[in-house]
Amino acid sequence: EAGVAQSPRYKIIEKRQSVAFWCNPISGHATLYWYQQILGQGPKLLIQFQNNGVVDDSQLPKDRFSAERLKGVDSTLKIQPAKLEDSAVYLCASSLLTANTGELFFGEGSRLTVL
Amino acid sequence: GNSVTQMEGPVTLSEEAFLTINCTYTATGYPSLFWYVQYPGEGLQLLLKATKADDKGSNKGFEATYRKETTSFHLEKGSVQVSDSAVYFCAPDFKLIFGAGTRLAVHP
Repeated sequence: EAGVAQSPRYKIIEKRQSVAFWCNPISGHATLYWYQQILGQGPKLLIQFQNNGVVDDSQLPKDRFSAERLKGVDSTLKIQPAKLEDSAVYLCASSLLTANTGELFFGEGSRLTVL
Repeated sequence: GNSVTQMEGPVTLSEEAFLTINCTYTATGYPSLFWYVQYPGEGLQLLLKATKADDKGSNKGFEATYRKETTSFHLEKGSVQVSDSAVYFCAPDFKLIFGAGTRLAVHP
C-alpha cells in the first residue's frame, strides 16, 4: 500500500515570495491534515479536511496561508507571502476514520526555508 | 478540559539501558492512546497503540499499558539500541495536537 506522498521535499525561497506544497493521501482515507513543525517543536495542526470540506482551520494564519482539497483526494497548501517564521517542515497526514479517532499516517514532509 | 503531559527530554541513555518515557492525560472519556516516533529527517509514524483500559500496545520491543486508574500510558523498552534514537510523541486521539515530544539519544 502506497503511503502519503508529499512534494517538494525541500524548498528555499526569499521572504515575501509564495510557495505551494502538494499532498496525496493514502487511497480511501477521507480525512487529511496539514501540520507545521518548527525545528525542535512538535507538529502543530494547521487544517483538517473531511473529504473536501474543512473540519478545523482555527490555527491556520488565513492572511497568508490557504489550503484546498477540491476533489476530496489530494490537497495543496499555499503560503503567500512567506515570512521568515514560516521556515518549518510541513507535514501532511491522512486517516481512514472520522475526526479525532484512529491512526494518523504521515508523509515525509516538505522542508521550507525562508531567507 | 482534555490535556496530555509528556516527560520532557532529552533523555540520554547508553545502549542496552532500560527506557521509560512518562505520559499522562486528563479526559472526560476513555480515548484511544498512541505513541508516535519521529526518526531524524522523517515524518511521524505510529509506534504502538491501545484502545481500551488495560490494553498493552507493543512494537519493536517497546511496550505501553493503558492505565485507567492513573490515566497514564508510559512507554518502556527493556534494552534500547542506537537505532532507537528519535523523538517520541504521546497522543490521545481526542486531541490532534502534539506536544514537543521527548527526544531520546542512545549512545554506544
